[in-house]
Amino acid sequence: KNQVEQSPQSLIILEGKNCTLQCNYTVSPFSNLRWYKQDTGRGPVSLTIMTFSENTKSNGRYTATLDADTKQSSLHITASQLSDSASYICVVIPSGGSYIPTFGRGTSLIVHP
Amino acid sequence: ETGVTQSPTHLIKTRGQQVTLRCSSQSGHNTVSWYQQALGQGPQFIFQYYREEENGRGNFPPRFSGLQFPNYSSELNVNALELDDSALYLCASSLGGGQNYGYTFGSGTRLTVV
Repeated sequence: KNQVEQSPQSLIILEGKNCTLQCNYTVSPFSNLRWYKQDTGRGPVSLTIMTFSENTKSNGRYTATLDADTKQSSLHITASQLSDSASYICVVIPSGGSYIPTFGRGTSLIVHP
Repeated sequence: ETGVTQSPTHLIKTRGQQVTLRCSSQSGHNTVSWYQQALGQGPQFIFQYYREEENGRGNFPPRFSGLQFPNYSSELNVNALELDDSALYLCASSLGGGQNYGYTFGSGTRLTVV
């Protein structure tokens, strides 16, 4: 069964600090891996998309890394801001037919002033 | 260019009733997928529509059904509502299956079943 596990479940940091969120997956083979930011009560917004051949992808203060051998990805947030408070969701898209995405449960990030 | 719009934003229904949720896809997108997101959980894939046909379905019972119209907008219908159906229902549109170009999500419909 395809699974995506994220850690930590929740994280509290001070404004200006960096943090790293983790994503482990069992989806194989996969087409691409994505990180989304979801504000409370809103739909997810795409941060990064990486194919299996890419190791890193940046979007402003957000940098995602991917190790396809160990099936791990991370999302690093630099110089956090209060507006970064949200849920961050890792999504893996399989290849080879259905392309039905598997979502992680998300990491809830709270940035305090 | 318009994004994905969903209606209504909030809805309260009684157990056993039926509900229809609506989604207008982003301009230029031809595929719509629906997700159920319970509180504190990640979205769960319900099904996807491409060219008015269902072309992928998650682990949801038949009382969850859908439609896609020629303008690529879509409806999600849920019959015989149960308390556990209470969730945020997200619609996402994409070009093709979304595997290459990503999905654009709407803000969701918050359904409460009492």
